[in-house]
Order: sequence, then C-alpha cells, then structure tokens
Amino acid sequence: EPEVTQTPSHQVTQMGQEVILRCVPISNHLYFYWYRQILGQKVEFLVSFYNNEISEKSEIFDDQFSVERPDGSNFTLKIRSTKLEDSAMYFCASSEWGLLSSGNTIYFGEGSWLTVV
Amino acid sequence: GENVEQHPSTLSVQEGDSAVIKCTYSDSASNYFPWYKQELGKRPQLIIDIRSNVGEKKDQRIAVTLNKTAKHFSLHITETQPEDSAVYFCAGIPGGYNKLIFGAGTRLAVHP
Repeated sequence: EPEVTQTPSHQVTQMGQEVILRCVPISNHLYFYWYRQILGQKVEFLVSFYNNEISEKSEIFDDQFSVERPDGSNFTLKIRSTKLEDSAMYFCASSEWGLLSSGNTIYFGEGSWLTVV
Repeated sequence: GENVEQHPSTLSVQEGDSAVIKCTYSDSASNYFPWYKQELGKRPQLIIDIRSNVGEKKDQRIAVTLNKTAKHFSLHITETQPEDSAVYFCAGIPGGYNKLIFGAGTRLAVHP
C-alpha cells in the first residue's frame, strides 16, 4: 500500500538553527499538509499546500515557517530559526483530492521527531 | 473557525466491555468526521470516518454515529481488547476549508 514517507525520523538541533523536514507524499496525491504534535497533546494543523502554493495556514505557521515542493516529489517544511517550543513530532500528510470531496481522506506519514536544545 | 471538543480525556474499561467517545463540533457546515487511533510514538491512523449524508457507519467492532442537529458524533468500540488501548482522536473539517481540526484526544486503556 502506498505510504507517505518522512525524513529524518529524529533530529536534534540547537536553538536558533534552521531545520528542514522532508516528506514524499503518495504519488498521485495533489494536496499536502503539515501537522504538529507536541508531546502528549493533540495534533495541530500547520499548513496545507496545493498547486504549488499554500492554500491554508494556521496561526502557528508564522514567518519562521515555510514550505515548498522543490522537485515535484519532495514536500519540505523549513523552520528558519528554531525555538525550544518547536520541539514536537511533525507529521506530513497527503490526500488525493481536497478533503471536502466525497470519499476522500488524508494519510499521515510516520512523523519526524524534532528536539530543540 | 471549527472547534472540536472531545471527551472523556481518559477512559478505562475491562476487556470485553464497550467504549464510547464523544465529540462535538461548532461549524454546522462541517460534513466529514474521521476518527484516528494513535499508538505511542506512531502516526495517527484512520480507523473509521463518516460523512454528513449518513447517520451511522459500522466496521466490525467499530461504529460511528452522527447527529447533525445536535452537532455531535461518537465512536463506539464493542468487545474491547487490550490492543485497542491507544489515544483516539476525532476530527472535523470547517465548512469550506481543506484542513482537519483534531479534538484533544481520549486515552483508552483496556484492562485484561
């Protein structure tokens, strides 16, 4: 069964450093997402991406965050200057069509665990 | 925007009993309600979902019911087993938006 894949699985970085998390969505999917989950808390929406541009973003997704799809396969999340509170599991997800389409759903990757020290 | 409230936050049952988790949502235009199971350190995995054109959906020991008038939906697990122990999240989509908003999660413990 096709899967969303993410790298790295774990990353430790120093506060203030830039981090790039990478994702390969399911190949025929058109919509891509990043979610964040702080340890022990709920899954929080960060951003959705379609047709090479951001379609929606949350208040968490401030100027320190950016996304891009540089080569048509990888979908990346960049955190420009990491803060301690960015420590979390970051999940990439994809869907074939928009979530409002009947019968469509969202598939999550295994996550990238980011620790900022 | 959409707000999804989930309760209880923790639920402890004996093996073989039923478990029910409830969620309420605020946006009456919401029309898709999935449930995810998350085991420790793993990704959320879709276990069942329902769209607003039906009131109930069942898949073996798992069922979801939807009451659009009251704006709430529930997950029912029958004949619980220890491997059902996990955190369960409900989610909704705000009307007109392409994003899932998750509830706070319910930690289910099934004791042998």
